Amino acid sequence: DTGVSQDPRHKITKRGQNVTFRCDPISEHNRLYWYRQTLGQGPEFLTYFQNEAQLEKSRLLSDRFSAERPKGSFSTLEIQRTEQGDSAMYLCASSHTGGNTIYFGEGSWLTVV
Amino acid sequence: QQPVQSPQAVILREGEDAVINCSSSKALYSVHWYRQKHGEAPVFLMILLKGGEQKGHEKISASFNEKKQQSSLYLTASQLSYSGTYFCGTEDSGNTPLVFGKGTRLSVIA
Repeated sequence: DTGVSQDPRHKITKRGQNVTFRCDPISEHNRLYWYRQTLGQGPEFLTYFQNEAQLEKSRLLSDRFSAERPKGSFSTLEIQRTEQGDSAMYLCASSHTGGNTIYFGEGSWLTVV
Repeated sequence: QQPVQSPQAVILREGEDAVINCSSSKALYSVHWYRQKHGEAPVFLMILLKGGEQKGHEKISASFNEKKQQSSLYLTASQLSYSGTYFCGTEDSGNTPLVFGKGTRLSVIA
């Protein structure tokens, strides 16, 4: 499969715990994006990378969220001290550059109990 | 700046047509259209770059009016498989992330 892959697909965690999601983009795509989506809403931008550089981070993103893309290939999104409001689907996407098609992965569902 | 989609929801009978609109208060570099089924990730439909081009394949097409800062998605002779939520995403430039509208829920019934 040459699409965007995300792991894990589902995660249930207790409030206060840390969670990490991994995303493997389509190979040769130098842009990687993280979005969050809750029920009935469109995907909400979190952050994006061009190669290993994090170019933009949403102002809505609390400092409990951090993302990395150390070698310009896969990326991780970590949420520290999870809260119930963090429950959502976390979507990863990749593209060549701006103005090109952005392909989404299947998403990682997070439930904080 | 989040684009505004209209209508919020629409119900069609099989074979009917629909138009979904997406407008922005800012000049746009590109507009992307996606369809999302419940519980699944958004699936890419098409991308339109500034220049007023129109794209389409088979019974789904779209237009982009750069001057009016809006795009429309046209669904012709709808099929049951067209049901889902349609999102438009817009870029202000080639170096800004895609910002999505709130979506239009389309239900096609037999």
